Amino acid sequence: AQSVAQPEDQVNVAEGNPLTVKCTYSVSGNPYLFWYVQYPNRGLQFLLKYITGDNLVKGSYGFEAEFNKSQTSFHLKKPSALVSDSALYFCAVSSQGGYNKLIFGAGTRLAVHP
Amino acid sequence: EAGVTQFPSHSVIEKGQTVTLRCDPISGHDNLYWYRRVMGKEIKFLLHFVKESKQDESGMPNNRFLAERTGGTYSTLKVQPAELEDSGVYFCASSLVGGTRETQYFGPGTRLLVL
Repeated sequence: AQSVAQPEDQVNVAEGNPLTVKCTYSVSGNPYLFWYVQYPNRGLQFLLKYITGDNLVKGSYGFEAEFNKSQTSFHLKKPSALVSDSALYFCAVSSQGGYNKLIFGAGTRLAVHP
Repeated sequence: EAGVTQFPSHSVIEKGQTVTLRCDPISGHDNLYWYRRVMGKEIKFLLHFVKESKQDESGMPNNRFLAERTGGTYSTLKVQPAELEDSGVYFCASSLVGGTRETQYFGPGTRLLVL
Protein backbone atom coordinates (compact mmCIF):
# COMPACT_ATOMS: atom_id res chain seq x y z
CA ALA A 1 0.00 0.00 0.00
CA GLN A 2 1.13 3.52 -0.71
CA SER A 3 2.07 5.68 2.27
CA VAL A 4 3.84 8.86 3.24
CA ALA A 5 5.58 9.58 6.52
CA GLN A 6 6.43 12.97 7.91
CA PRO A 7 8.35 12.02 11.05
CA GLU A 8 8.30 15.44 12.69
CA ASP A 9 5.10 17.00 13.97
CA GLN A 10 6.89 20.33 14.33
CA VAL A 11 10.13 21.86 13.17
CA ASN A 12 11.53 24.96 14.83
CA VAL A 13 14.16 27.09 13.14
CA ALA A 14 15.58 30.55 13.61
CA GLU A 15 15.06 33.12 10.88
CA GLY A 16 17.95 33.12 8.46
CA ASN A 17 18.92 29.54 9.20
CA PRO A 18 18.44 26.71 6.72
CA LEU A 19 15.37 24.55 7.15
CA THR A 20 14.53 20.95 6.30
CA VAL A 21 11.14 19.28 6.50
CA LYS A 22 11.42 15.53 6.13
CA CYS A 23 9.29 13.17 4.05
CA THR A 24 9.65 9.50 3.23
CA TYR A 25 7.34 7.46 1.04
CA SER A 26 6.39 3.95 0.05
CA VAL A 27 4.83 3.23 -3.33
CA SER A 28 4.78 0.55 -5.95
CA GLY A 29 5.91 1.90 -9.28
CA ASN A 30 7.67 5.16 -10.00
CA PRO A 31 6.72 7.83 -7.48
CA TYR A 32 5.40 11.29 -8.21
CA LEU A 33 6.02 13.50 -5.20
CA PHE A 34 4.46 16.79 -4.17
CA TRP A 35 4.81 19.39 -1.45
CA TYR A 36 1.94 21.62 -0.40
CA VAL A 37 1.82 24.37 2.20
CA GLN A 38 -1.13 25.58 4.25
CA TYR A 39 -0.87 29.06 5.73
CA PRO A 40 -3.22 29.95 8.60
CA ASN A 41 -6.85 30.19 7.46
CA ARG A 42 -5.86 29.41 3.90
CA GLY A 43 -6.14 26.41 1.59
CA LEU A 44 -3.42 24.08 0.43
CA GLN A 45 -0.99 25.79 -1.86
CA PHE A 46 1.16 23.84 -4.33
CA LEU A 47 4.90 24.35 -3.77
CA LEU A 48 6.70 21.90 -6.05
CA LYS A 49 6.68 18.40 -7.47
CA TYR A 50 9.04 15.70 -8.66
CA ILE A 51 8.03 13.68 -11.71
CA THR A 52 11.27 12.63 -13.35
CA GLY A 53 14.69 13.96 -14.22
CA ASP A 54 16.88 16.09 -11.95
CA ASN A 55 16.65 14.94 -8.36
CA LEU A 56 16.71 18.53 -7.08
CA VAL A 57 13.44 20.28 -7.71
CA LYS A 58 12.98 24.02 -7.25
CA GLY A 59 9.63 25.50 -6.35
CA SER A 60 7.86 28.58 -5.12
CA TYR A 61 9.11 31.00 -2.44
CA GLY A 62 12.70 29.74 -2.62
CA PHE A 63 11.87 26.20 -1.56
CA GLU A 64 13.48 23.15 -3.09
CA ALA A 65 13.27 19.42 -2.50
CA GLU A 66 15.62 16.56 -3.15
CA PHE A 67 14.39 13.21 -4.41
CA ASN A 68 16.44 10.30 -3.10
CA LYS A 69 15.32 7.01 -4.56
CA SER A 70 17.56 4.78 -2.46
CA GLN A 71 16.32 6.36 0.76
CA THR A 72 12.77 6.80 -0.57
CA SER A 73 12.84 10.37 0.66
CA PHE A 74 11.75 13.76 -0.64
CA HIS A 75 12.86 16.31 1.94
CA LEU A 76 11.84 19.96 1.59
CA LYS A 77 14.57 22.54 2.07
CA LYS A 78 15.21 26.24 2.07
CA PRO A 79 18.64 27.86 2.52
CA SER A 80 17.42 30.76 4.65
CA ALA A 81 14.13 30.63 6.54
CA LEU A 82 11.75 33.57 6.87
CA VAL A 83 9.23 34.15 9.65
CA SER A 84 6.58 34.20 6.91
CA ASP A 85 7.45 30.58 6.06
CA SER A 86 5.74 29.51 9.29
CA ALA A 87 2.93 27.21 8.15
CA LEU A 88 1.79 23.61 7.89
CA TYR A 89 3.60 21.57 5.24
CA PHE A 90 2.25 18.43 3.61
CA CYS A 91 4.10 15.87 1.53
CA ALA A 92 2.07 13.78 -0.91
CA VAL A 93 2.67 10.97 -3.37
CA SER A 94 1.01 9.35 -6.32
CA SER A 95 2.54 6.75 -8.60
CA GLN A 96 2.87 5.77 -12.20
CA GLY A 97 0.21 3.25 -12.95
CA GLY A 98 -1.51 3.98 -9.68
CA TYR A 99 -4.83 5.54 -8.94
CA ASN A 100 -5.36 9.20 -9.70
CA LYS A 101 -5.30 10.42 -6.12
CA LEU A 102 -2.77 11.87 -3.71
CA ILE A 103 -1.65 10.08 -0.56
CA PHE A 104 -0.68 12.62 2.08
CA GLY A 105 1.50 12.63 5.14
CA ALA A 106 0.13 13.93 8.43
CA GLY A 107 1.79 17.30 7.99
CA THR A 108 4.66 19.12 9.69
CA ARG A 109 4.23 22.46 11.36
CA LEU A 110 7.14 24.78 10.66
CA ALA A 111 7.76 27.56 13.14
CA VAL A 112 10.36 30.15 12.19
CA HIS A 113 11.41 32.37 15.09
CA PRO A 114 12.77 35.90 14.68
CA GLU B 1 -7.82 33.39 -12.93
CA ALA B 2 -9.99 32.38 -10.00
CA GLY B 3 -8.85 29.42 -7.96
CA VAL B 4 -10.88 26.63 -6.47
CA THR B 5 -13.60 28.00 -4.23
CA GLN B 6 -15.55 26.25 -1.51
CA PHE B 7 -18.67 27.15 0.39
CA PRO B 8 -19.30 27.47 3.26
CA SER B 9 -15.97 28.15 4.91
CA HIS B 10 -17.31 26.88 8.22
CA SER B 11 -20.33 24.83 9.26
CA VAL B 12 -21.46 23.83 12.72
CA ILE B 13 -24.31 21.34 12.88
CA GLU B 14 -25.78 18.90 15.34
CA LYS B 15 -25.49 15.16 15.04
CA GLY B 16 -28.20 13.81 12.80
CA GLN B 17 -28.54 16.94 10.70
CA THR B 18 -27.69 17.26 7.03
CA VAL B 19 -24.96 19.44 5.56
CA THR B 20 -24.11 20.15 1.95
CA LEU B 21 -20.70 21.40 0.93
CA ARG B 22 -20.05 23.02 -2.42
CA CYS B 23 -16.94 23.21 -4.56
CA ASP B 24 -16.35 25.28 -7.67
CA PRO B 25 -13.26 24.10 -9.52
CA ILE B 26 -10.96 26.21 -11.64
CA SER B 27 -12.76 27.00 -14.87
CA GLY B 28 -12.09 24.36 -17.51
CA HIS B 29 -10.82 21.74 -15.09
CA ASP B 30 -12.54 18.47 -15.86
CA ASN B 31 -11.04 16.66 -12.87
CA LEU B 32 -12.42 17.38 -9.44
CA TYR B 33 -11.39 15.70 -6.18
CA TRP B 34 -12.67 15.70 -2.62
CA TYR B 35 -10.38 15.10 0.36
CA ARG B 36 -10.87 15.25 4.11
CA ARG B 37 -8.58 15.96 7.04
CA VAL B 38 -9.88 14.70 10.37
CA MET B 39 -8.53 15.85 13.74
CA GLY B 40 -5.03 16.84 12.69
CA LYS B 41 -4.36 13.61 10.87
CA GLU B 42 -3.36 13.09 7.27
CA ILE B 43 -5.47 14.39 4.42
CA LYS B 44 -7.40 11.49 2.92
CA PHE B 45 -8.86 11.07 -0.54
CA LEU B 46 -12.63 10.71 -0.81
CA LEU B 47 -13.45 10.67 -4.50
CA HIS B 48 -12.59 11.83 -8.00
CA PHE B 49 -14.86 13.14 -10.75
CA VAL B 50 -14.02 13.40 -14.42
CA LYS B 51 -16.58 15.85 -15.69
CA GLU B 52 -19.86 14.56 -14.25
CA SER B 53 -18.75 10.95 -13.86
CA LYS B 54 -17.38 9.40 -10.69
CA GLN B 55 -14.00 7.98 -11.65
CA ASP B 56 -13.03 6.71 -8.22
CA GLU B 57 -15.08 6.82 -5.03
CA SER B 58 -13.01 4.33 -3.08
CA GLY B 59 -12.36 6.80 -0.27
CA MET B 60 -15.97 7.56 0.58
CA PRO B 61 -16.37 6.41 4.19
CA ASN B 62 -19.97 5.16 4.02
CA ASN B 63 -23.34 5.71 2.37
CA ARG B 64 -24.07 8.77 4.49
CA PHE B 65 -21.86 10.66 2.05
CA LEU B 66 -23.20 11.58 -1.38
CA ALA B 67 -21.22 13.51 -3.96
CA GLU B 68 -22.61 14.92 -7.17
CA ARG B 69 -21.32 16.95 -10.07
CA THR B 70 -24.27 17.60 -12.30
CA GLY B 71 -23.30 19.21 -15.58
CA GLY B 72 -19.64 18.67 -14.89
CA THR B 73 -19.06 22.06 -13.29
CA TYR B 74 -19.44 22.55 -9.55
CA SER B 75 -19.73 19.66 -7.13
CA THR B 76 -21.62 19.10 -3.91
CA LEU B 77 -20.85 16.76 -1.06
CA LYS B 78 -23.79 15.96 1.19
CA VAL B 79 -23.50 14.31 4.57
CA GLN B 80 -26.79 12.86 5.80
CA PRO B 81 -27.16 12.24 8.67
CA ALA B 82 -23.99 13.74 10.11
CA GLU B 83 -22.13 11.94 12.88
CA LEU B 84 -19.54 13.27 15.33
CA GLU B 85 -16.69 11.54 13.50
CA ASP B 86 -17.50 13.48 10.32
CA SER B 87 -15.97 16.61 11.84
CA GLY B 88 -12.93 17.83 9.99
CA VAL B 89 -11.81 19.96 7.09
CA TYR B 90 -13.13 19.02 3.67
CA PHE B 91 -10.92 20.05 0.77
CA CYS B 92 -11.77 20.18 -2.87
CA ALA B 93 -9.15 20.15 -5.62
CA SER B 94 -9.18 20.29 -9.38
CA SER B 95 -6.81 19.58 -12.23
CA LEU B 96 -6.95 20.36 -15.91
CA VAL B 97 -6.20 16.85 -17.02
CA GLY B 98 -6.17 13.55 -15.24
CA GLY B 99 -3.17 11.42 -14.53
CA THR B 100 -1.11 10.73 -11.48
CA ARG B 101 1.59 13.26 -12.38
CA GLU B 102 -0.77 16.21 -12.69
CA THR B 103 -0.83 18.98 -10.12
CA GLN B 104 -4.05 19.24 -8.16
CA TYR B 105 -5.01 22.75 -7.05
CA PHE B 106 -6.82 22.96 -3.75
CA GLY B 107 -9.49 25.20 -2.37
CA PRO B 108 -9.49 26.77 1.10
CA GLY B 109 -11.53 23.95 2.61
CA THR B 110 -14.76 23.77 4.57
CA ARG B 111 -14.34 23.28 8.29
CA LEU B 112 -17.18 21.06 9.53
CA LEU B 113 -17.95 20.62 13.20
CA VAL B 114 -20.61 18.12 14.23
CA LEU B 115 -21.82 18.52 17.81
